Amino acid sequence: EVQLLESGGGLVQPGGSLRLSCAASGFTFSNYVMTWVRQAPGKGLEWVSGISGSGGRTYYADSVKGRLTISRENSKNTLYLQMNSLRAEDTAVYYCAKSSSSSPYDAFDIWGQGTMVTVSS
Amino acid sequence: QSVLTQPPSTSGTPGQRVTISCSGSSSNIGSNNVYWYQQLPGTAPKLLIYRNNQRPSGVPDRFSGSKSGTSASLAISGLRSEDEADYYCAAWDDSLSGWVFGGGTKLTVL
Repeated sequence: EVQLLESGGGLVQPGGSLRLSCAASGFTFSNYVMTWVRQAPGKGLEWVSGISGSGGRTYYADSVKGRLTISRENSKNTLYLQMNSLRAEDTAVYYCAKSSSSSPYDAFDIWGQGTMVTVSS
Repeated sequence: QSVLTQPPSTSGTPGQRVTISCSGSSSNIGSNNVYWYQQLPGTAPKLLIYRNNQRPSGVPDRFSGSKSGTSASLAISGLRSEDEADYYCAAWDDSLSGWVFGGGTKLTVL
């Protein structure tokens, strides 16, 4: 069964850091673009970042550029999101999602259950 | 303010047909495929329509998508109570070099 399991969320102070992880199983991880999408409480979906199968190409929303870094470790079937200089507006559920192909322009066909990040003093 | 524009809410009675619109621009819907996601209350989003009008296996044919120019729409026929959810459209934006989502449409089945 194809599965994504996020972890690493929690409460952090403004200006702090956090690293999210997404453990993948049931598919050949390195063959697919992976993505982070977030959802602030009571709000809609916002794409955050994407990374190619090899990890050689990364994509970021303007709202997180320079503060959030996406990476992957294909030997461990794990996707990461390093979050630095966190702000209150980063408070959201963070979903990890698998692309349906090796293209960054294709659907997110599998989603994890999400991990909550709260930025507050 | 979302790059793609959807109505915040819509409603229908069981058995009815409803449509949800998604309006964009030449840099997103006008030049790329549109995707639709369904988010049931308290759950993660699920892919509903890909490449404008394709259904993943397991999605009932009551759900259909279409695209024309810089707009797209999702139609749900034979409305059922379990269709009550938030629906989001999405597309790659060439100008932003990233994905953009609509603000979401909350569907209520009366």
